[in-house]
Amino acid sequence: DAGITQSPRHKVTETGTPVTLRCHQTENHRYMYWYRQDPGHGLRLIHYSYGVKDTDKGEVSDGYSVSRSKTEDFLLTLESATSSQTSVYFCAISSTGGTYEQYFGPGTRLTVT
Amino acid sequence: QQQVKQSPQSLIVQKGGISIINCAYENTAFDYFPWYQQFPGKGPALLIAIRPDVSEKKEGRFTISFNKSAKQFSLHIMDSQPGDSATYFCAASFNSGGYQKVTFGTGTKLQVIP
Repeated sequence: DAGITQSPRHKVTETGTPVTLRCHQTENHRYMYWYRQDPGHGLRLIHYSYGVKDTDKGEVSDGYSVSRSKTEDFLLTLESATSSQTSVYFCAISSTGGTYEQYFGPGTRLTVT
Repeated sequence: QQQVKQSPQSLIVQKGGISIINCAYENTAFDYFPWYQQFPGKGPALLIAIRPDVSEKKEGRFTISFNKSAKQFSLHIMDSQPGDSATYFCAASFNSGGYQKVTFGTGTKLQVIP
């Protein structure tokens, strides 16, 4: 998975609790992304980062925040988890602005009960 | 809305047969069309991609056919093998202020039976 790790790989949490997912890369790529994958929806972009401390919203950003304090780490926080945020979350990286290849991590399966 | 419509949702093909997955898009600003392959429990991985200035691209058993006027593109897997059983996503992207905005199709689950 192109030097990308995600943690945790699986998590079960209760409605209303905050959750933070971590993406770590060893490729020194500039761009990092968080997607969620749901049946019938494919992959949808939550947030992306184009550099340290530089982030922007994707198409499904409500209820999520991100931070990037180092090139290698991109954190996704669910401020107050809801059942609709039960999903598989993928981190991706690219060396350019999303053109050509995005490399995906192994995913985090999150269940909100 | 910048949708990419993918069909079929699922596909069963006999070993040695041809698998065909179709996608259609609306936004003519899209300028890059990749296909991703995803195995269970793994992240998607780029399989093959095409730009709209060519009508076909072939890599081994995988071919993308692109019809710019119809705004459609398709993935053909020749001589399909059980190891090709996976979920396939088409995607389309364009440059938006230095960032390449990617829209994914909803995925096709391919099963190749021996």
